Amino acid sequence: GAGVSQTPSNKVTEKGKYVELRCDPISGHTALYWYRQSLGQGPEFLIYFQGTGAADDSGLPNDRFFAVRPEGSVSTLKIQRTERGDSAVYLCASSPGSGTDTQYFGPGTRLTVL
Amino acid sequence: SQQGEEDPQALSIQEGENATMNCSYKTSINNLQWYRQNSGRGLVHLILIRSNEREKHSGRLRVTLDTSKKSSSLLITASRAADTASYFCATDAAGGFKTIFGAGTRLFVKA
Repeated sequence: GAGVSQTPSNKVTEKGKYVELRCDPISGHTALYWYRQSLGQGPEFLIYFQGTGAADDSGLPNDRFFAVRPEGSVSTLKIQRTERGDSAVYLCASSPGSGTDTQYFGPGTRLTVL
Repeated sequence: SQQGEEDPQALSIQEGENATMNCSYKTSINNLQWYRQNSGRGLVHLILIRSNEREKHSGRLRVTLDTSKKSSSLLITASRAADTASYFCATDAAGGFKTIFGAGTRLFVKA
């Protein structure tokens, strides 16, 4: 079956602009995660959804970052007033149930802020 | 700060040799997972070991978990050039939802 998909695969934007990154999880997976990965580092947790609600958003770095999952499936990560330090690969993962299940990762969106 | 810390940071071996990577973490966990990432982006899940398990095998992979030392090891036997990748451990803190990844071990297997 289809895996986790993320769009766009690459996004180049200018400092100060607004961006939206989309994640389509595996059908039926109730848990959805967003991570950010900088070069040479491991993924850094941003937010975890169980269904439509954000069960843990403690990893969002500041109020410029926001994520939604209105119907419990597709999720959008929104970044306002982008800064050069936001440049990274943004990864999405889904899992069938709770946070203790195996996570299935998408290919990521490479965000470059000029 | 990240919960899991892998060592070594980088490892270079010949094809056919075994590769051992270690991971340490700080707090009580529900489970520990190992992931692999080729150059590029997607992470692939390798193996999950629960806090009440001590050892698990999957093909050429062997994972151990020592909760008293808060550490885990991943052994890849009879390595192949195709095993060249970055390997990450990830932990779910007991009672929480957050998954914390370490900085990874970069494995290079020479043909």
